[in-house]
Amino acid sequence: EAGVAQSPRYKIIEKRQSVAFWCNPISGHATLYWYQQILGQGPKLLIQFQNNGVVDDSQLPKDRFSAERLKGVDSTLKIQPAKLEDSAVYLCASSLDRRITDTQYFGPGTRLTVL
Amino acid sequence: SQKIEQNSEALNIQEGKTATLTCNYTNYSPAYLQWYRQDPGRGPVFLLLIRENEKEKRKERLKVTFDTTLKQSLFHITASQPADSATYLCALNNAGNMLTFGGGTRLMVKP
Repeated sequence: EAGVAQSPRYKIIEKRQSVAFWCNPISGHATLYWYQQILGQGPKLLIQFQNNGVVDDSQLPKDRFSAERLKGVDSTLKIQPAKLEDSAVYLCASSLDRRITDTQYFGPGTRLTVL
Repeated sequence: SQKIEQNSEALNIQEGKTATLTCNYTNYSPAYLQWYRQDPGRGPVFLLLIRENEKEKRKERLKVTFDTTLKQSLFHITASQPADSATYLCALNNAGNMLTFGGGTRLMVKP
């Protein structure tokens, strides 16, 4: 079974530029998550989708971050404009559904460096 | 505010010994607690889930305890091997499968 795919794996941009990350979850998984992991810290949930709807985006900085999952499968996370403090690994995860016992499977992440 | 603390200092142990990692939390009443392993350059991988009404859970060489009175979970790896070297993350989980992670503890097992 293929895992969660993410691209690109690495991205370097200047501050104030925009950037987008792509995620393809495990086939059949209804729930998709985006996390931000700053170096030396644990992942922090940014947004959770159930199919193509947003369940929770309370920790998403909506002035600069946006995310969508239009067809309930792939998802994109965008930052516009980027700030230095956005340098982090952006992890995508998926689970079969939103039950607490549904295991979350993580992709390899996209490492973003903002100069 | 909610806080989850794991020892930020790396834990160095000798091969064959038992590694014990700690996860403490405050201002939180989780129904479930999970442990993940993360290797450099990779996403976290789920290891174990323990419910609030379970005191202990085991999986092969792994053992997790969950004390809701002390607000603490302990994660043990028995007969540790160099291949167990990684960062271990605890995560608290309430409704809707939304996880709140601790900062992780790096484990180094020396041969």
